[in-house]
Amino acid sequence: GEDVEQSLFLSVREGDSSVINCTYTDSSSTYLYWYKQEPGAGLQLLTYIFSNMDMKQDQRLTVLLNKKDKHLSLRIADTQTGDSAIYFCAESDTGRRALTFGSGTRLQVQP
Amino acid sequence: EADIYQTPRYLVIGTGKKITLECSQTMGHDKMYWYQQDPGMELHLIHYSYGVNSTEKGDLSSESTVSRIRTEHFPLTLESARPSHTSQYLCASSGKANNEKLFFGSGTQLSVL
Repeated sequence: GEDVEQSLFLSVREGDSSVINCTYTDSSSTYLYWYKQEPGAGLQLLTYIFSNMDMKQDQRLTVLLNKKDKHLSLRIADTQTGDSAIYFCAESDTGRRALTFGSGTRLQVQP
Repeated sequence: EADIYQTPRYLVIGTGKKITLECSQTMGHDKMYWYQQDPGMELHLIHYSYGVNSTEKGDLSSESTVSRIRTEHFPLTLESARPSHTSQYLCASSGKANNEKLFFGSGTQLSVL
């Protein structure tokens, strides 16, 4: 079946860039997503990328997609303490019923 | 702006009680989902619905049941709660757009004693 994997934890200093990585197995993925979850809250969609794109930039966020290697990354520039949260990678294809989520990466931003 | 609401936000209840977790969305979305989130953060799909009177079980087996009598409402029921049901339950919905973006509620943290 489909599988999405992420590293569990990342710690950076305030002002540095953060890069969160994700790998997936489904070669027919149509869209790939990044969600953010703050403590005790639901998931908030940050950004998404269509599978025929290599890169998408949205303010401090840059998404890179290497479809050949099935690798997705999220770069957060000038990371702030408010960016501390769990970040979930997810993927979908049009034939499947729901998104498949990774296990989440906990980002800790140190002042 | 996402308009999807879950109640209660927190629920602590004794073993054997019947509970219903509410989820409502005002976006007119056809597709709705329930995810169970483990303490270790991973999300598991337990139920989904593609429209009124349509419900299906997800990837993770669950003793809960759901109903979809109205488009905007997708409640989840546990007939007899057990400590193993302690978890966070997240409701989500998506519209007809091909990008399948999910909008999530704030979740219900359920603790069964």
